[in-house]
Amino acid sequence: EVELVESGGGLFQRGGSLRLSCAASGFSLSSFWMYWVRQAPGKGLVWVSRTISDGSKTYYADYVKGRFTISRDNTRNTINLHMSNLTTEDTALYLCVRGPPGKYMDLWGRGTLVTVSS
Amino acid sequence: SYDLTQPPSVSVSPGQTASISCFGDELGDKFVCWYQQRPGQSPVLVIYEDNKRPSGIPERFSGSNSGNTATLTISVTQAMDEADYYCQAWDSTSVVFGGGTKLTVL
Repeated sequence: EVELVESGGGLFQRGGSLRLSCAASGFSLSSFWMYWVRQAPGKGLVWVSRTISDGSKTYYADYVKGRFTISRDNTRNTINLHMSNLTTEDTALYLCVRGPPGKYMDLWGRGTLVTVSS
Repeated sequence: SYDLTQPPSVSVSPGQTASISCFGDELGDKFVCWYQQRPGQSPVLVIYEDNKRPSGIPERFSGSNSGNTATLTISVTQAMDEADYYCQAWDSTSVVFGGGTKLTVL
């Protein structure tokens, strides 16, 4: 089955760090751009970060630059999101998403919930 | 930064046509995608590159994009179409989502 499965969420302290992981199955990540998108409870979709197919370039939304780092390991078919200096506004469901290079997002994971407490 | 604006909510009667708009500066010069998110589920791509349907998406879903407005149209709306819909475009190297529109079928 073609799917993305996120892990690593939980309850964290403000100012702390964590790493989210996304495991792909049923396809090879190496052909796709990969994204992290987040959704705060009851709110809309917000783009967080992306990495191109070979991982040589990464991009971030302004509000996470310098705090979040996206990485990928195509040999293990996984991507990660390292999050640091957490704020309560980082509380959200974090969704791992794939897409053909430069186009749309065609496969979404179910997400992993990150809660940051003060 | 680039903004995409959607109406918060749209209501439609079953069997009628629903139209959901997405407004952005010179949006017609960009490709727009639309995602459907049913309650408790992850988003699903329903339209890409303005008006193309992925495999498995009913023909009832169509899209257009011109000027400053992109539109998702759902004809013969069914109860199962009740969901949140998000438009999405690219602003240089960044992904931008609209705020989402809750479609109610009543």
